Amino acid sequence: DAGVTQSPTHLIKTRGQQVTLRCSPKSGHDTVSWYQQALGQGPQFIFQYYEEEERQRGNFPDRFSGHQFPNYSSELNVNALLLGDSALYLCASSWGRGLYGYTFGSGTRLTVV
Amino acid sequence: GIQVEQSPPDLILQEGANSTLRCNFSDSVNNLQWFHQNPWGQLINLFYIPSGTKQNGRLSATTVATERYSLLYISSSQTTDSGVYFCAVNTGTASKLTFGTGTRLQVTL
Repeated sequence: DAGVTQSPTHLIKTRGQQVTLRCSPKSGHDTVSWYQQALGQGPQFIFQYYEEEERQRGNFPDRFSGHQFPNYSSELNVNALLLGDSALYLCASSWGRGLYGYTFGSGTRLTVV
Repeated sequence: GIQVEQSPPDLILQEGANSTLRCNFSDSVNNLQWFHQNPWGQLINLFYIPSGTKQNGRLSATTVATERYSLLYISSSQTTDSGVYFCAVNTGTASKLTFGTGTRLQVTL
């Protein structure tokens, strides 16, 4: 049974560009949450998707947007990249409106130069 | 929002030693989880433990919700235990996790 898969694993982008990260949830999970983890810090909640809608959002600007597809997979989009957006982006899937079975992917390491 | 603090921030142990990691939180929580993040960034859930005590092999955890803290015990540590340990909580009806500051553990031979 595949767990949470994220792609790509690594990415280098130039300041001002746009990036799209992808996440496929664990089988049986219907909720996807995205987190940003800067070097040396704990993960910070970006937003959560359930039933193809954004249900909760953390303290991140509108440059961060997302989408959930009917098959529960999700994308995270970041526009107008800043150097400070360099981080590990983690996707987690869960069920029961996000309360149960929290499982993280291995992350996408984004470097903005 | 809720504050989650962990101690100690860094810990170096020799293989075979025991350790206790602490997580303090500033408000009541619906659930508390302990995670281990390996050197490649993978976060692995160790325990769901909103209250009480659980054990899994060499690891055990205790949460005292009324006093707003949780403890993670690692016995007979191994080099594979190295990494960063996070506690994370969710509050109210929200399922988002608020992570603690982490404890970086290094187990040496």
